[in-house]
Amino acid sequence: AQSVTQPDIHITVSEGASLELRCNYSYGATPYLFWYVQSPGQGLQLLLKYFSGDTLVQGIKGFEAEFKRSQSSFNLRKPSVHWSDAAEYFCAVVNNYGQNFVFGPGTRLSVLP
Amino acid sequence: DTEVTQTPKHLVMGMTNKKSLKCEQHMGHRAMYWYKQKAKKPPELMFVYSYEKLSINESVPSRFSPECPNSSLLNLHLHALQPEDSALYLCASSQLTDTQYFGPGTRLTVL
Repeated sequence: AQSVTQPDIHITVSEGASLELRCNYSYGATPYLFWYVQSPGQGLQLLLKYFSGDTLVQGIKGFEAEFKRSQSSFNLRKPSVHWSDAAEYFCAVVNNYGQNFVFGPGTRLSVLP
Repeated sequence: DTEVTQTPKHLVMGMTNKKSLKCEQHMGHRAMYWYKQKAKKPPELMFVYSYEKLSINESVPSRFSPECPNSSLLNLHLHALQPEDSALYLCASSQLTDTQYFGPGTRLTVL
């Protein structure tokens, strides 16, 4: 069965600092991978996705992620964090049947001024 | 347009009430989803509709009853809920294995 782990429950960074959020997945085939962001009490917004091809994918709001098959990872990065990036971040993989996502537990990002 | 709309935004109901949540999308997506999300947790899948037919029911109690009247609409009928059912209910749609687009959610409080 597929699974997604996000090792960091909570990360705090200073505004302007770089950010990396970790995501590891367990999947038997080439995965479809996603990163979503959720502000408090809101729905989930897609940041970026990986289906195939170039392993470095660019997303919205200056985020990027790199797919590394050898490490079963899909880490999210941003070179300079803004205070508005404070939110919950979820990594997800589409399951074998392609009908539902398996979400990671989420990483809460706090940004210090 | 990648918008999924949900109504109402907030709902407070008693344990004997009957209410419905509504979700709508006009992206031509053929799969629609209901998720339940508790605080500080990821969304938990409840139901999946593919081509207007229920394809996944994740062992959800019968007090939750989904309905897909057409390819653009998804309802969730609520009856005799318990306080532990209080949560954010999220609707999403997709072209099957592709990206899921989420609505803003309905914040449900059961008294």
